[in-house]
Amino acid sequence: QKEVEQNSGPLSVPEGAIASLNCTYSDRVSQSFFWYRQYSGKSPELIMSIYSNGDKEDGRFTAQLNKASQYVSLLIRDSQPSDSATYLCAVNTNAGNMLTFGGGTRLMVKP
Amino acid sequence: GAGVSQTPSNKVTEKGKYVELRCDPISGHTALYWYRQSLGQGPEFLIYFQGTGAADDSGLPNDRFFAVRPEGSVSTLKIQRTERGDSAVYLCASSADRGGGYTFGSGTRLTVV
Repeated sequence: QKEVEQNSGPLSVPEGAIASLNCTYSDRVSQSFFWYRQYSGKSPELIMSIYSNGDKEDGRFTAQLNKASQYVSLLIRDSQPSDSATYLCAVNTNAGNMLTFGGGTRLMVKP
Repeated sequence: GAGVSQTPSNKVTEKGKYVELRCDPISGHTALYWYRQSLGQGPEFLIYFQGTGAADDSGLPNDRFFAVRPEGSVSTLKIQRTERGDSAVYLCASSADRGGGYTFGSGTRLTVV
């Protein structure tokens, strides 16, 4: 079992819809959770971080964390074609600083 | 600098050659990380520096890979006797605090032919 798992997609949503991206992790002591966006041919860009159970909203993005279920998600409201990218979930799985990344979910927003 | 700078952006080398990849982190960031990313996969951890020392090198795949950060700023990833399987994008990232998110550089695309 991989430490951080994501459905590779592609996840296809129409413009204006809500895109829901999911991630599960295996290490129960994980403390920090991040979502990165990666456009094709570019490097990952940090878009959200979440450290405690519940929801965290930033503009059109909402990160949700459920430590009991070892589950973190990212919701993108009013999806735009410019949101089309690969979304990477990253988890701090030990006491150090190193992040473990999932394989990413490719999101396609169709006009 | 304003962002994480990586050079070169592209490197093509012949199998068996030695390569060096450079990373200049954000000024003041004490933590520096090297990852590599193959097509269609997430970044894979290689090594983490806190200051000048390698705090965690558990991700280095074998002894052909080595990294240094002699003055606690710029880091160099060194790959000896390159193999075609080393072809990937090598990403460098830095962060200012423990447990925080990283800022990535634009990466070095290494192609071993």
